[in-house]
Amino acid sequence: DTAVSQTPKYLVTQMGNDKSIKCEQNLGHDTMYWYKQDSKKFLKIMFSYNNKELIINETVPNRFSPKSPDKAHLNLHINSLELGDSAVYFCASSQVISGYAYNEQFFGPGTRLTVL
Amino acid sequence: AQSVTQLDSQVPVFEEAPVELRCNYSSSVSVYLFWYVQYPNQGLQLLLKYLSGSTLVKGINGFEAEFNKSQTSFHLRKPSVHISDTAEYFCAVSAANKLIFGTGTLLAVQP
Repeated sequence: DTAVSQTPKYLVTQMGNDKSIKCEQNLGHDTMYWYKQDSKKFLKIMFSYNNKELIINETVPNRFSPKSPDKAHLNLHINSLELGDSAVYFCASSQVISGYAYNEQFFGPGTRLTVL
Repeated sequence: AQSVTQLDSQVPVFEEAPVELRCNYSSSVSVYLFWYVQYPNQGLQLLLKYLSGSTLVKGINGFEAEFNKSQTSFHLRKPSVHISDTAEYFCAVSAANKLIFGTGTLLAVQP
């Protein structure tokens, strides 16, 4: 049983297209995250949802829109893809206590997005 | 604001040798620190974490880290590395609802 799963694993698309990445966790956690890892392995948080509510929205272009239909799912939709969006996108989940990420975050396997 | 600095972008080491990966943090509040490992083409996996209590924290795969408040450090150590330890290692600090990651250190174990 995979704890945090993402689909697809690889995504190759043309500039200007719209694409979605799906994430599901079966750990019963209340908080889910999207991270972007660039070619230099730098990992930066993009969004976080707690109980389906957006709690973190870093300085991400509004072409990126997260959606959380329920606590177990957090999807990422990207409009008008650009070359600079090429990266590996990781979904993660955790149980947040008193507003602090005390507990470990469990990461999905990543989605490698290549924009041509 | 919390931040993390990993001083070495790459650490080459021979198999069975000891290794230390350095991490320094900056935080104005209580500190919760983590080390994650990322094997090639995989997601991140928790190695160990410091929340409170003993400053020496033991993790998986024989790794340990020591929290040093006076030096604001949380260095990761292993007494004898294996080829299979080759991976990217990330130090992270908890900062209200999120983790802030360092830039990573590639541990390259050579035979």
